[in-house]
Amino acid sequence: QKEVEQDPGPLSVPEGAIVSLNCTYSNSAFQYFMWYRQYSRKGPELLMYTYSSGNKEDGRFTAQVDKSSKYISLFIRDSQPSDSATYLCAIGGAAGNKLTFGGGTRVLVKP
Amino acid sequence: DTAVSQTPKYLVTQMGNDKSIKCEQNLGHDTMYWYKQDSKKFLKIMFSYNNKELIINETVPNRFSPKSPDKAHLNLHINSLELGDSAVYFCASSQTGGPGNTIYFGEGSWLTVV
Repeated sequence: QKEVEQDPGPLSVPEGAIVSLNCTYSNSAFQYFMWYRQYSRKGPELLMYTYSSGNKEDGRFTAQVDKSSKYISLFIRDSQPSDSATYLCAIGGAAGNKLTFGGGTRVLVKP
Repeated sequence: DTAVSQTPKYLVTQMGNDKSIKCEQNLGHDTMYWYKQDSKKFLKIMFSYNNKELIINETVPNRFSPKSPDKAHLNLHINSLELGDSAVYFCASSQTGGPGNTIYFGEGSWLTVV
């Protein structure tokens, strides 16, 4: 079993829909949780990070963490074609600065 | 101003050659990394340096040798390239104690070994 599991997609939604992404993880020592967005031929860019269980909102993005279930989610409201990208969850804290990444979910928002 | 910059962006080379990828960060971070992303998009850490000292060295062949002349630079040298080395290599940096130790990535170097 991989330390972090993420459905590879692709996930295709119409413009304006809510995009729902999630990851599960196995190591309860993980302490902080991040979502990165990666456009084609580009490096991952940090979208959101959180330390604790609960919700964190930033504009159209909401990150959710449920440590008891070892489950994290990212919601994108009012999705735009410019949101089309691969979204990677990243989880850290088990060993220093090392982040463990999910395999990414490819999202396609159709106009 | 690019925060984490790496060169070259694209590299095509023959098996058996030796090549280097250079990385520089201007964020003032004390930790730098090399990550490898394979064709299935999995990002895996290879090395991590903190203030020029190696702190993470995952199971990577000895043909890969990182070098950190100062805390703003981390270069990756690869000897005797093999077909399986074809991947995207990302340099990254972070600040110890920063929020979530968040990591900032460069644009990637696409290595193709033929």
